[in-house]
Amino acid sequence: GQNIDQPTEMTATEGAIVQINCTYQTSGFNGLFWYQQHAGEAPTFLSYNVLDGLEEKGRFSSFLSRSKGYSYLLLKELQMKDSASYLCAVKSGGSYIPTFGRGTSLIVHP
Amino acid sequence: DVKVTQSSRYLVKRTGEKVFLECVQDMDHENMFWYRQDPGLGLRLIYFSYDVKMKEKGDIPEGYSVSREKKERFSLILESASTNQTSMYLCASSVGQVNSPLHFGNGTRLTVT
Repeated sequence: GQNIDQPTEMTATEGAIVQINCTYQTSGFNGLFWYQQHAGEAPTFLSYNVLDGLEEKGRFSSFLSRSKGYSYLLLKELQMKDSASYLCAVKSGGSYIPTFGRGTSLIVHP
Repeated sequence: DVKVTQSSRYLVKRTGEKVFLECVQDMDHENMFWYRQDPGLGLRLIYFSYDVKMKEKGDIPEGYSVSREKKERFSLILESASTNQTSMYLCASSVGQVNSPLHFGNGTRLTVT
């Protein structure tokens, strides 16, 4: 099976930078996904990492280290609308089925 | 844009009723999923389908069944609803590639009384 860990809750200030970590244990790693989910809404896809390194997409970046089983999502210039739950998900063993972490609830305050 | 549509946003049913949750996707995706989401437990997979009439049990299939008669439609069935099935149900679809993300519907908040 897979084990995915992320912090339950984080708080940050508008305009700041926040890093949300995700650690995983799996065999046959096929990629790691980050999703954003606003309260009462569906999760939406943010990023996909399969190779080591940093992928940047505007204010959001995602990093992967396969040897450490570690990823983080970096949010810069935080805005109030970034208050949401952030879900880390891993695919492995050639499966189409991702395993999700329990999500990190990010609260951005003024 | 991929659209995944769930038939109901909110549903209230009584214990013992048979409940159908419908999901339709418009992008010809091979894979479809049913998850339930509960506070503190995250997303848990109920069933997965990779083709018409094909299905695999997820982590928590007990008390549920599914039907995929057409590629675009994936139905979740609660044969006899119970109060512990009160939850948010999320349908998703994806292309049949390992690197493809899931596209989610807006969810159905089911309350069983």
